[in-house]
Amino acid sequence: DTAVSQTPKYLVTQMGNDKSIKCEQNLGHDTMYWYKQDSKKFLKIMFSYNNKELIINETVPNRFSPKSPDKAHLNLHINSLELGDSAVYFCASSPTGTAEAFFGQGTRLTVV
Amino acid sequence: QKEVEQNSGPLSVPEGAIASLNCTYSDRGSQSFFWYRQYSGKSPELIMSIYSNGDKEDGRFTAQLNKASQYVSLLIRDSQPSDSATYLCAAWTGSARQLTFGSGTQLTVLP
Repeated sequence: DTAVSQTPKYLVTQMGNDKSIKCEQNLGHDTMYWYKQDSKKFLKIMFSYNNKELIINETVPNRFSPKSPDKAHLNLHINSLELGDSAVYFCASSPTGTAEAFFGQGTRLTVV
Repeated sequence: QKEVEQNSGPLSVPEGAIASLNCTYSDRGSQSFFWYRQYSGKSPELIMSIYSNGDKEDGRFTAQLNKASQYVSLLIRDSQPSDSATYLCAAWTGSARQLTFGSGTQLTVLP
C-alpha cells in the first residue's frame, strides 16, 4: 500500500510541451505539497495546498499550476516546458497541525 | 529569504563511529525541525523531528536543538554502511506554512 504515489516516475518531453504529473495520498492528510529537487539535490517548495487554500512560492513561474480535484489528490500541470524545468519533482503530504511530510517516489522530468 | 544551511560534505566516518551532522537556520520564527534521509535515487524519508530545545533520542539517532543559537544537529551512533545517504535538515515556519530544506549533507560510512 503506497502512502503517497506519483505518476509517471519518468517523463521525457520536448521543449514547449504541456505535461501533468499526478499525485495521490491515502494517508488521510489535509495538506499536500509539490517540491522540486534540482541536480544539486536542493529541495525547494513549490506549492502547499490545504483545504482549498493554495500557498504559492513566489519564485515559481506561472507556467506551473497545481490542481486538486479532492483532498487526496494534488496534480501538477506545467505549460510550455523549458530546459530548466528538468528536475525531480516530489509530491508530499502531512497531517493538519504538523509538518511531518511524507514523500512520493518522485517524478524525474527531462526536457529535451 | 528564509534559509537552512548545512555543510554539503561529503562526510566520511568509519563503521561504528559517531556521525555528527549540523544545520543552522535563519528564521527565528521556525518552530519545528526535521531530519530526512535520502538514498540516491530515492525520496526523502523522515527519520527525526524535534520541537523543543534539548535532545531527542530514537534508537541510534539523537537530534539536538538550540533555538537561541538557531542550531540543529543529528548524531548517528554506531554508524553502519546502510546509513550512507544524504541527510536533509528542514525547518517549519507555521506562519508561512512552509517547510524549508537545507541542501543536505552527504554521509558515507566506510566498512
